[in-house]
Amino acid sequence: QQQVKQSPQSLIVQKGGISIINCAYENTAFDYFPWYQQFPGKGPALLIAIRPDVSEKKEGRFTISFNKSAKQFSLHIMDSQPGDSATYFCAARQNNFNKFYFGSGTKLNVKP
Amino acid sequence: DVKVTQSSRYLVKRTGEKVFLECVQDMDHENMFWYRQDPGLGLRLIYFSYDVKMKEKGDIPEGYSVSREKKERFSLILESASTNQTSMYLCASSSETGQGYTEAFFGQGTRLTVV
Repeated sequence: QQQVKQSPQSLIVQKGGISIINCAYENTAFDYFPWYQQFPGKGPALLIAIRPDVSEKKEGRFTISFNKSAKQFSLHIMDSQPGDSATYFCAARQNNFNKFYFGSGTKLNVKP
Repeated sequence: DVKVTQSSRYLVKRTGEKVFLECVQDMDHENMFWYRQDPGLGLRLIYFSYDVKMKEKGDIPEGYSVSREKKERFSLILESASTNQTSMYLCASSSETGQGYTEAFFGQGTRLTVV
């Protein structure tokens, strides 16, 4: 049973457009929500992260929106670029264990 | 520059073989993890370790074991490899920061094929 549900599985966006990836969870013991970016042949790397006491975090073109009551969070990539083409994973950490649960991943393709 | 190094990028093993996947981190992190990555399933936790000689089962530990004799090294063992263990295996390490944030650093992965 997937602890973190991620959608869509794949996404095609035109250059300059907005990419939106959504995640949902049930476990209220999760206390930290990172997003990872993975390029082909590489391991995932941390992109941006949020704690549940904040509703939004922005770093450059990347924004996490967090809705604690709905147990949902999303990644928005503004002005998407071909270099953003990668697989994105949302994740959630279970508190006190530093144990991460990952979503199933979204393969983003930004067309020039 | 932080580094998590997995000993092999590609491995091909025969069914029934005992397989060792090695991972070394140079960041003095307490926590280390083994995940497998399969299309449509994301990353699934096999085992993790929060200290030397300590280990905890993840979500899919069946058919695997681990060893952590030194802080920097975490090994994944497939006792008797089977074709359904063909996958990409990712090692990661992490440490808690003072602000409560943390980051898992990943190796480049080992693509294991069992024939």
